[in-house]
Amino acid sequence: GAVVSQHPSRVICKSGTSVKIECRSLDFQATTMFWYRQFPKKSLMLMATSNEGSKATYEQGVEKDKFLINHASLTLSTLTVTSAHPEDSSFYICSAKRGASTNEKLFFGSGTQLSVL
Amino acid sequence: RKEVEQDPGPFNVPEGATVAFNCTYSNSASQSFFWYRQDCRKEPKLLMSVYSSGNEDGRFTAQLNRASQYISLLIRDSKLSDSATYLCVVNPINRLTFGQGTILTVHP
Repeated sequence: GAVVSQHPSRVICKSGTSVKIECRSLDFQATTMFWYRQFPKKSLMLMATSNEGSKATYEQGVEKDKFLINHASLTLSTLTVTSAHPEDSSFYICSAKRGASTNEKLFFGSGTQLSVL
Repeated sequence: RKEVEQDPGPFNVPEGATVAFNCTYSNSASQSFFWYRQDCRKEPKLLMSVYSSGNEDGRFTAQLNRASQYISLLIRDSKLSDSATYLCVVNPINRLTFGQGTILTVHP
């Protein structure tokens, strides 16, 4: 089956630094990728939808200058948390959709646990 | 009103029990529906899609009621390995929305 690789799986950083998370589709071209954030015992919250070659669409309340998304190729999307603060500590998960159909299955990365000290 | 609402549980059931989860959604234009399973600090994994006519996969049965805007998941003969969080997922036009999840614990 399709595989989505997310890296790194865990990051611990100091407040004020920037952290980049990569999401790669390994055996298919992902025209659309999604970035989610999940706080403990909460559900996944969609942060943004990333389409290859165009600007990401951010959900209400998500700062686009804080969470930079780049989807430069059909197999790679990156999320950069700029000037991270302790409140940004969370579990970040990406997912990729292979086709354009609304019924197309999503493939998830394994997630990145970000801890900002 | 939340776009997707689930009873967070937790549901604690003995092995062999039958348990049912419900989920309601607010956007009547939603086109596709799913149940995902998520283990602690892992990525969600697709359990099954939900079709209008209802569908079954082994011990799992999913149903959709468009008129009432709810979907359900029934698990029969619960196993210890079924312990997880079950996420109801609705797709109102290419934008998957997750419910908060229902925690299931199956005990011996």
